Amino acid sequence: AQSVAQPEDQVNVAEGNPLTVKCTYSVSGNPYLFWYVQYPNRGLQFLLKYITGDNLVKGSYGFEAEFNKSQTSFHLKKPSALVSDSALYFCAVRDMSGGSYIPTFGRGTSLIVHP
Amino acid sequence: SQTIHQWPATLVQPVGSPLSLECTVEGTSNPNLYWYRQAAGRGLQLLFYSVGIGQISSEVPQNLSASRPQDRQFILSSKKLLLSDSGFYLCAWSVLDSYNEQFFGPGTRLTVL
Repeated sequence: AQSVAQPEDQVNVAEGNPLTVKCTYSVSGNPYLFWYVQYPNRGLQFLLKYITGDNLVKGSYGFEAEFNKSQTSFHLKKPSALVSDSALYFCAVRDMSGGSYIPTFGRGTSLIVHP
Repeated sequence: SQTIHQWPATLVQPVGSPLSLECTVEGTSNPNLYWYRQAAGRGLQLLFYSVGIGQISSEVPQNLSASRPQDRQFILSSKKLLLSDSGFYLCAWSVLDSYNEQFFGPGTRLTVL
């Protein structure tokens, strides 16, 4: 079985400050992990993924995420937030050992960047 | 490059009317295809997925159905809409037999009155 949790419904940060959006997961085997962003009334856009290799993954728009196997976490980070980063962020997981290509998505975290 | 289209973009339908939403993918072959519904701008609910023409798996029992008449075409239908069918419908694709990321369409906003 696979599951993912985004413990914060909303994250508020001032423009120029670093931001973190949290994600924890549970899988039977090894995880494939993904982050997506959704702007209002738009589809989800892929940001980055962890499959294997370096625990620090860099993605689009200056975002990065760190895979931590011991803490089963995959937090999304950005060193300096922009107002335009305000959006809904989704974490997703696929269990490599599960045999299914269907991901499980978190409930989403609304990021609000204040000017 | 690959592109995914959905139409219509918005739809207002009365309760009890039929529904047909269409999704097409360009620039790839044999994709996995998915229909999701998103209520209240929040979590995604997987409705259907397909690994090939005529192969549909349903994740949630409801009055919706899906069909895949062609390799890159995925259709979501209903014979009689309910108020609870209102929401934001998203189509997505991913590479077949792969754990890679999904690519989402622009979505259809459905309001049932």
